[in-house]
Amino acid sequence: DADVTQTPRNRITKTGKRIMLECSQTKGHDRMYWYRQDPGLGLRLIYYSFDVKDINKGEISDGYSVSRQAQAKFSLSLESAIPNQTALYFCATSDSGLRQPQHFGDGTRLSIL
Amino acid sequence: AQSVTQLGSHVSVSEGALVLLRCNYSSSVPPYLFWYVQYPNQGLQLLLKYTTGATLVKGINGFEAEFKKSETSFHLTKPSAHMSDAAEYFCAVSEGAAGNKLTFGGGTRVLVKP
Repeated sequence: DADVTQTPRNRITKTGKRIMLECSQTKGHDRMYWYRQDPGLGLRLIYYSFDVKDINKGEISDGYSVSRQAQAKFSLSLESAIPNQTALYFCATSDSGLRQPQHFGDGTRLSIL
Repeated sequence: AQSVTQLGSHVSVSEGALVLLRCNYSSSVPPYLFWYVQYPNQGLQLLLKYTTGATLVKGINGFEAEFKKSETSFHLTKPSAHMSDAAEYFCAVSEGAAGNKLTFGGGTRVLVKP
């Protein structure tokens, strides 16, 4: 089983809909992250959470919200989806040490029509 | 603010040839540097990382990278490309003091020709 699981893997929806992407992890890490990937831009940080009570905005948080339901669960919501939010979304986790690498899920491909 | 530049969005190499992927960064504090690889329809996997100590870092699958502070570079190399190296590669920097937040380069897609 994957250590970082994202659901759904693919989603097509319409402009204006509310969408939730879910992430769960079995690594026991405190820190979780949401990124979006766009061609040529690499990955950009949307939100991150260092523990259940600590949530922070990343580089591109406008139009997104998150919820950290438990240490192992971190969901990303698009309140009213728009076409330029079409992208590949990744959840990642890391241990709390400063030098710890991040571990990524397999991604959710989201298309907004 | 930290930033990462990867020279070349696409690189084509012949099987058995040297793979060289370039990464330059800017950071106001000593950085932690990472290379990740992404295979089709998969997430990112850590190839190697530099935090402190030896500036030549060895990773998985025969890759290595050298941290050069004077050049603000962290180029990735592999002496002999294999077909299985075809993937997209990302360089990333973390400033440490800001926690584990990563800033990624735009990525380099590697094509390996037989």
